[in-house]
Amino acid sequence: EVQLVQSGAEVRKPGESLKISCKGSGYRFTSFWVGWVRQMPGKGLEWMGVVYPPDSDTRYSPSFEGQVTISADKSTNTAYLEWSSLKASDTAIYFCARTFSSSAVQFDSWGQGTLVTVSS
Amino acid sequence: EIEVTQSPASLSVSPGERVNISCRASQGISSNLAWYQQRPGQSPRLLIYDASTRATGIPVRFSGSGSGTEFTLTIANLQSEDFAVYYCQQCGIWPPLFGGGTKVEIK
Repeated sequence: EVQLVQSGAEVRKPGESLKISCKGSGYRFTSFWVGWVRQMPGKGLEWMGVVYPPDSDTRYSPSFEGQVTISADKSTNTAYLEWSSLKASDTAIYFCARTFSSSAVQFDSWGQGTLVTVSS
Repeated sequence: EIEVTQSPASLSVSPGERVNISCRASQGISSNLAWYQQRPGQSPRLLIYDASTRATGIPVRFSGSGSGTEFTLTIANLQSEDFAVYYCQQCGIWPPLFGGGTKVEIK
């Protein structure tokens, strides 16, 4: 069974850094791109970007380019989403998900979500 | 930049009824469209990809149609577990975008 297990909820202050994780199991982690999707409180889904674990190649949506860093560690089957300086507007649930098509933009398996709260 | 518009934003439906949700792309995307369901407090779930192919384990009451710029998700014989928010996602033109969502509520 494909599983993506994300790290737990985080509370940070504006300006702080943060790295959340997503561990894949039940499939060959190096065969699929893994992506991240943001959902702000009460809002819809936003496609952030994807990473290819074998070589850490990344693709970002223009809205998120330069705002976050997506990475992966193929030795631990884990993908990451990182911020160097959080803003209050980063408060959201972040989902990781596995892509399944050659275009690497559609997701067939999702993590449970990580709630990130940024507040002073 | 491409835009993706879903309609309606919400609708109230009785169990057993049929629902049609529309998704419109501002540019042609062939059949490169997916649909997802998100129940309250849960992660999204892939329903349909390539506009009309059901994902693994998805009941046959869910169907997708359309190509180019106009797409429809149809849910036949609505069940209690189908009350949720539905999102389309265009996958044909960079950047991939989700529609704003359609909330299906119990009448």
